Amino acid sequence: AQKVTQAQTEISVVEKEDVTLDCVYETRDTTYYLFWYKQPPSGELVFLIRRNSFDEQNEISGRYSWNFQKSTSSFNFTITASQVVDSAVYFCALSDYNNNDMRFGAGTRLTVKP
Amino acid sequence: GAVVSQHPSRVICKSGTSVKIECRSLDFQATTMFWYRQFPKQSLMLMATSNEGSKATYEQGVEKDKFLINHASLTLSTLTVTSAHPEDSSFYICSAREGGGLISYEQYFGPGTRLTVT
Repeated sequence: AQKVTQAQTEISVVEKEDVTLDCVYETRDTTYYLFWYKQPPSGELVFLIRRNSFDEQNEISGRYSWNFQKSTSSFNFTITASQVVDSAVYFCALSDYNNNDMRFGAGTRLTVKP
Repeated sequence: GAVVSQHPSRVICKSGTSVKIECRSLDFQATTMFWYRQFPKQSLMLMATSNEGSKATYEQGVEKDKFLINHASLTLSTLTVTSAHPEDSSFYICSAREGGGLISYEQYFGPGTRLTVT
């Protein structure tokens, strides 16, 4: 069975701090996709990244970076120099390689204070 | 990226009535659409998967007679909550995906529909 664990329920930081959101997953599949989504108060999911299981390269996009470690089944997300606009709920998700059966973690509510 | 719309964005209905939510893929043909439910401060839970022209596949614990899903065309899927009760109040999100089979295509999410049953 697919499972995603986001152990951090809520995180609060002060603006300009770096923050890392943890994601640990379980799957029996050898090929799969991992995702991160941002959900602001409006509710609409904002796609941040998709990573396939063959690609363990870390990725950086502006202030965002992702660390995929297959050995520990983790796909952590770091925001550098956080801003108030980063305040949202962040979801990590896992799907099979056909992009079916997407399972979401419980989400981490990030609050960035000015 | 591709655009998926949902209508309505918010709906309030009385207990015992039915409400229909539409999910449309605006610039691509969605062979598969997914329906998720999100209770306040909780995660998204997959309710069902629907393929165009065939019956939806429901997740365990989701009543198919209560949550009727129709995917009659490649751009439209509807979710009808029948005989709604206050406990059905939730945020319903659809996603749409073109293609399938051995080729993996992205799921694109709609903006969600907030249902309140009074």
